[in-house]
Amino acid sequence: KAGVTQTPRYLIKTRGQQVTLSCSPISGHRSVSWYQQTPGQGLQFLFEYFSETQRNKGNFPGRFSGRQFSNSRSEMNVSTLELGDSALYLCASSLDPGGGELFFGEGSRLTVL
Amino acid sequence: KQEVTQIPAALSVPEGENLVLNCSFTDSAIYNLQWFRQDPGKGLTSLLLIQSSQREQTSGRLNASLDKSSGRSTLYIAASQPGDSATYLCAVLDSNYQLIWGAGTKLIIKP
Repeated sequence: KAGVTQTPRYLIKTRGQQVTLSCSPISGHRSVSWYQQTPGQGLQFLFEYFSETQRNKGNFPGRFSGRQFSNSRSEMNVSTLELGDSALYLCASSLDPGGGELFFGEGSRLTVL
Repeated sequence: KQEVTQIPAALSVPEGENLVLNCSFTDSAIYNLQWFRQDPGKGLTSLLLIQSSQREQTSGRLNASLDKSSGRSTLYIAASQPGDSATYLCAVLDSNYQLIWGAGTKLIIKP
């Protein structure tokens, strides 16, 4: 059974650009959540999607957005990149929302120059 | 506002020792608490999930306890091995259904 797949694994952008990250959940999992991990702030919840609907959102500016498709795959987008957006972005999937076991991908490491 | 604290931030012990990692949280209104491990440059692996109504969970050499009233959880690792070296994170699912994370404990097991 394939795990959670995140693409791309590494990317470099410059300030002001925008970026789209992709997450394919484990087959049969319908809930996808996103997290940002930085050395200074640690892990922080970004948002959660279930059945193509954003179910929950963390305390991040509107430059951070996401969506989920009918096959449960999810994308997150960050517009007008800032240096502080450099981070490891982690995606997790679970069967259903609301606190089940999470399965994480290996993350997308974004560097903003 | 829920806050999660993990102590110690780093721990180095000889192989074979039993050890305890600590996690505390400020608001007892949680749905569950989870322990994860993260290897360098990797994603997270779920170790144990304790529902708010449970007191402990066990998996192999790992045992996690939860005392909701005191806002504490411990992860007990028996007979530690070099392969246990990783960063261990705890997270609570708060009343807003958001996962709030601790900063982690970096564990090094010396052969």
